Amino acid sequence: AQSVTQPDIHITVSEGASLELRCNYSYGATPYLFWYVQSPGQGLQLLLKYFSGDTLVQGIKGFEAEFKRSQSSFNLRKPSVHWSDAAEYFCAVGAYNQGGKLIFGQGTELSVKP
Amino acid sequence: NAGVMQNPRHLVRRRGQEARLRCSPMKGHSHVYWYRQLPEEGLKFMVYLQKENIIDESGMPKERFSAEFPKEGPSILRIQQVVRGDSAAYFCASSELQGADTEAFFGQGTRLTVV
Repeated sequence: AQSVTQPDIHITVSEGASLELRCNYSYGATPYLFWYVQSPGQGLQLLLKYFSGDTLVQGIKGFEAEFKRSQSSFNLRKPSVHWSDAAEYFCAVGAYNQGGKLIFGQGTELSVKP
Repeated sequence: NAGVMQNPRHLVRRRGQEARLRCSPMKGHSHVYWYRQLPEEGLKFMVYLQKENIIDESGMPKERFSAEFPKEGPSILRIQQVVRGDSAAYFCASSELQGADTEAFFGQGTRLTVV
């Protein structure tokens, strides 16, 4: 079955510390992978995406993610977290012929301590 | 270029009433997707539409829910005879092309509360 797992429901990090949010997927076809961020009461904003090529992708707001096919993972990282990064983060997977039909993980809520 | 516009942002309905959620895609986008987000959960795909056509409705509940994307006007998600379990945030996304290598842009959602 196709699925996306974000093992951490809630993570708290100190401002300035590094961050890694985990994402594992199970998908039969070649996956297209995405990370979205959702601030409270808001819609989703795309942070970055991976379709092919270099497995380390850079996104907005200083985020990056690395695709590891052998581990079926697409973890999101940021070297230094800012208080404004506090939000909910969703990993999603799709396929070329599925367009915008994505399978989302359950999300990881990030809190940032001063 | 305005983003994906959803209205209303918040909707309160009594059990048994109908809820109509509207989504205007980004200019030039002809592909629309509806997702539902239940409390404490991720987004779940409901339906994928192109103008005047339902392409994939595999995530739609079999009863009470319907969606359309007419030739003119916004896409509509309709929920008849709402129940408390329909309370959720409903998001619409649109894309220009069908392939997954085209970004889907999300609206801010409609938060439906059934009382």
